[in-house]
Amino acid sequence: DVKVTQSSRYLVKRTGEKVFLECVQDMDHENMFWYRQDPGLGLRLIYFSYDVKMKEKGDIPEGYSVSREKKERFSLILESASTNQTSMYLCASSTPGGRRYEQYFGPGTRLTVT
Amino acid sequence: GENVEQHPSTLSVQEGDSAVIKCTYSDSASNYFPWYKQELGKRPQLIIDIRSNVGEKKDQRIAVTLNKTAKHFSLHITETQPEDSAVYFCAATSNRDDKIIFGKGTRLHILP
Repeated sequence: DVKVTQSSRYLVKRTGEKVFLECVQDMDHENMFWYRQDPGLGLRLIYFSYDVKMKEKGDIPEGYSVSREKKERFSLILESASTNQTSMYLCASSTPGGRRYEQYFGPGTRLTVT
Repeated sequence: GENVEQHPSTLSVQEGDSAVIKCTYSDSASNYFPWYKQELGKRPQLIIDIRSNVGEKKDQRIAVTLNKTAKHFSLHITETQPEDSAVYFCAATSNRDDKIIFGKGTRLHILP
């Protein structure tokens, strides 16, 4: 059974702090994604990665960066947190091969920036 | 790039009736259309998907239809039950990359 975990379920940070959100998957998936989920806006892609040390910008990368040093781990970094980054952050990974597009989501991290 | 529009944003249906959620997409290269269900407080999970070489797919009470010419696809849930209450997301992607573009979601309420 695929397992995608995120480092925290809830996080409260102050404006200007550097924030790290971590995601780990245990199924050797090549693809990993970071989304933010806001009411009425659905799931918006921040960054994604096809392989170790590879990354590509999604639709809303401003204010974020990512790191993928190991295949199983994909980190989202808020260099200087702002209140408009208060949101639910969801990590996902996808399988290679025949069902390559199915995305498996983590439980989410609800980040509040005060 | 791809743009996915989803309607309605909220849908209330009497238990036992059918629910239909509709999506349109813009990129004619899109060829895979999944639907995800997110129950309250839980992660989104894939419930059904359809590829562009198929017009309809059914899985028990859930069905998805695809009209490639019109670039729209729909989710149909028959004989709705309380556990169908959730937010449903449609999505589209193509062979170009593994990015999936999601619609904004539909909150489905099943009324007793």
